[in-house]
Amino acid sequence: LAKTTQPISMDSYEGQEVNITCSHNNIATNDYITWYQQFPSQGPRFIIQGYKTKVTNEVASLFIPADRKSSTLSLPRVSLSDTAVYYCLVARMNRDDKIIFGKGTRLHILP
Amino acid sequence: DSGVTQTPKHLITATGQRVTLRCSPRSGDLSVYWYQQSLDQGLQFLIHYYNGEERAKGNILERFSAQQFPDLHSELNLSSLELGDSALYFCASSVEYFYNSPLHFGNGTRLTVT
Repeated sequence: LAKTTQPISMDSYEGQEVNITCSHNNIATNDYITWYQQFPSQGPRFIIQGYKTKVTNEVASLFIPADRKSSTLSLPRVSLSDTAVYYCLVARMNRDDKIIFGKGTRLHILP
Repeated sequence: DSGVTQTPKHLITATGQRVTLRCSPRSGDLSVYWYQQSLDQGLQFLIHYYNGEERAKGNILERFSAQQFPDLHSELNLSSLELGDSALYFCASSVEYFYNSPLHFGNGTRLTVT
């Protein structure tokens, strides 16, 4: 599984756009990039997944540059309820890989 | 609601005991994953089953074992429990292998060992 690096924590304010960047320098050709959100005492929740360029859904956007060595999760107009831990995962087709979650990014939204 | 059901929600037991955690995956999902999350710690991957077969194993203790049954539900057995085993245990399921199948997590079982 490709190693990922994310900021440990971030603060932002309600109504702002928040961008969380994840570095994955050794990403392989078959790797997909997936982001999860976790609230305290709850299981992680799938947010968005992409392979290249840009993906958008009703919750977030995911930007992936051409070299795919990083990705940016963009949360538009955050609210207090977006306070959570956000995990970036890079996983490949090899099903023998261990599915490892990193420490994630603790996002704290301020009023 | 993710569609993944974990029981029980809470479990309190004493050191040295054995417990079984149960997970029912989403309808149609063949893969089941188990994770452990201690207080303020990250998610530790324990084990992955696909359609009844073990596919990947993380740093799972020898005191822990798991299996996936023909109806695709899974059980995680924890024995000779220690205080340090107190944690949230999450089960997740996916349709296929991980690479293009997002994981859907249950709400976890909170295990307290006293």
